[in-house]
Amino acid sequence: GAVVSQHPSWVICKSGTSVKIECRSLDFQATTMFWYRQFPKQSLMLMATSNEGSKATYEQGVEKDKFLINHASLTLSTLTVTSAHPEDSSFYICSARRASIYGYTFGSGTRLTVV
Amino acid sequence: AQSVTQLGSHVSVSEGALVLLRCNYSSSVPPYLFWYVQYPNQGLQLLLKYTTGATLVKGINGFEAEFKKSETSFHLTKPSAHMSDAAEYFCAVSEETGANNLFFGTGTRLTVIP
Repeated sequence: GAVVSQHPSWVICKSGTSVKIECRSLDFQATTMFWYRQFPKQSLMLMATSNEGSKATYEQGVEKDKFLINHASLTLSTLTVTSAHPEDSSFYICSARRASIYGYTFGSGTRLTVV
Repeated sequence: AQSVTQLGSHVSVSEGALVLLRCNYSSSVPPYLFWYVQYPNQGLQLLLKYTTGATLVKGINGFEAEFKKSETSFHLTKPSAHMSDAAEYFCAVSEETGANNLFFGTGTRLTVIP
């Protein structure tokens, strides 16, 4: 149990376009979802925290207008990178937290390359 | 506020040797502590976690970690390394109550030498 599906696993897009990444909890309801960014050979950097039905809370230095997060249901959160630029190229990972059990389940990540 | 320090960005061990990955944390409240493993281009897989109770925690793949409050440590060990253990390992901490996100260490890359 406790599976989080993240899609797509990799995407290449042109500079200036937008890309949407989906994060789904398959067999549980996720009260909170987190979005992380990971640079090569570095740790995970929390970008934002989203609770179902409310606006996401962004970490300092993360542009909320650039990284749009929607958490419309207890099983789905999306991250949209708007007007992507090469410096947005990174590995993005989502995580879902369950309400009843104190645990986090991570998605398999999305490799974004902006050309 | 929480923070995590992982000593050693790279650790190399011979196959069959002891694995020891170090993690120290700081937290103003009782912590929840986690170890995750990440294989290339993949997400994070939980190895083990400490919340309350027994301070020696056993996880998957033969790994275990001991929570030592006096040393603010949560080191990860495995008696005998296997080639498949080669990966990136992250220690993370969160608050016991009202917690949201995890705070990650910078990671330790484990190399297993045949």
